Amino acid sequence: DIQMTQSPSSLSASVGDRVIITCRASQSISSYLNWYQQKPGKAPKLLIYTAASLQSGVPSRFSGSGSGTDFTLTISSLHTEDFATYYCQQSYSTPLTFGGGTKVQIK
Amino acid sequence: EVQLVESGGGLEQPGRSLRLSCAASGFIFDDYAMHWVRQAPGKGLEWVSGVSWNSGSIVYADSVKGRFTISRDNAKNSLYLQMNGLRPEDTALYYCAKGTGSSTGGGFDYWGQGTLVTASS
Repeated sequence: DIQMTQSPSSLSASVGDRVIITCRASQSISSYLNWYQQKPGKAPKLLIYTAASLQSGVPSRFSGSGSGTDFTLTISSLHTEDFATYYCQQSYSTPLTFGGGTKVQIK
Repeated sequence: EVQLVESGGGLEQPGRSLRLSCAASGFIFDDYAMHWVRQAPGKGLEWVSGVSWNSGSIVYADSVKGRFTISRDNAKNSLYLQMNGLRPEDTALYYCAKGTGSSTGGGFDYWGQGTLVTASS
């Protein structure tokens, strides 16, 4: 099974900050990497698919990059509504696996 | 508008069974794979099972293989999860999720609100 490791597990940031979350796969997954945002009590929401493609309706301040084993999710300027937990997920092979999550909190 | 509505969760004793359902609308159901993803209280996301558009490919997480059975009825735009031999560690919110493509790989572009399963005596 492919293990997905996210870092950091949590971070504190202020509105307007640039935030970078990293995700590492235990083996190469090409660009088969997706990012999700989950707010408390809500279902996850797809933000980025195939590493760098922005899902329809997602603000352009979100971007993704990487290939192979190392990936990043960047929020260029943090908004109040971006405080949430973010998960990466590999779609290279089954079983499909998620990272452990990164909680973005208000500083 | 895509809608996924789960039902069938509840409190059940370890060793017993539950059947979850997911009613889908707002998209061509038989064009897409469908999945179940769960989240234990206070924990992260865990993919459980997926079924391709025509049920030709079905895959499971090792943690549920041999106990859970996923199925779909394209005529009814519905997805199911038969959960047998429940264990306390199966306690979670179970989400129905639409795949981004027709096969069992890929991501999940729409999610339901989840149905809570509690396996406890």
